[in-house]
Amino acid sequence: TQLLEQSPQFLSIQEGENLTVYCNSSSVFSSLQWYRQEPGEGPVLLVTVVTGGEVKKLKRLTFQFGDARKDSSLHITAAQPGDTGLYLCAGVSSGSARQLTFGSGTQLTVLP
Amino acid sequence: GAGVSQSPSNKVTEKGKDVELRCDPISGHTALYWYRQRLGQGLEFLIYFQGNSAPDKSGLPSDRFSAERTGESVSTLTIQRTQQEDSAVYLCASSSPTGRRGGGYTFGSGTRLTVV
Repeated sequence: TQLLEQSPQFLSIQEGENLTVYCNSSSVFSSLQWYRQEPGEGPVLLVTVVTGGEVKKLKRLTFQFGDARKDSSLHITAAQPGDTGLYLCAGVSSGSARQLTFGSGTQLTVLP
Repeated sequence: GAGVSQSPSNKVTEKGKDVELRCDPISGHTALYWYRQRLGQGLEFLIYFQGNSAPDKSGLPSDRFSAERTGESVSTLTIQRTQQEDSAVYLCASSSPTGRRGGGYTFGSGTRLTVV
């Protein structure tokens, strides 16, 4: 069974601070996706990283895929209250019909 | 439709009753997934459909859980003799054949099931 561990599980910060969320596994994934989920809604895809070492930026969010494609990080610069939500990483396995293995999530709260 | 639609959005049922949850995927999306999410936690895979066949149903937690799909459209997840531990949000997602490899899933808003 492939497992994805996210840390921290909970994070509460002040507006304007920077933060990093980590997603780690002992398994290799063909790609990795990050989702954000708001209360009462389903997760929404933010980004997919495919190549080991790849870095993608989405406004104030920076996503990195580890060189060995076993881990990933999400860095948010100058966090805003609108960034509040549950951040989920999900690994894509080419050999598995179910395709996506989700991490346990990081609940981020940005206080004004 | 424009998005993945799930119904009902909320369901409160008595322990021991059967419930049926419905998912309408995006038109043209051949793959459909059911996940369960307990409060504040990640997503637990339940079952995957490709068309109307289910190549992977290994995530169904017990024989009280079953799911079916009509063609490449509506899917229903049925929970028989509900237990309190079944209380969770049940999420449905669909993806296109190329979407599964990198374009991501599109999720519905989920059905919040409460067993009392």
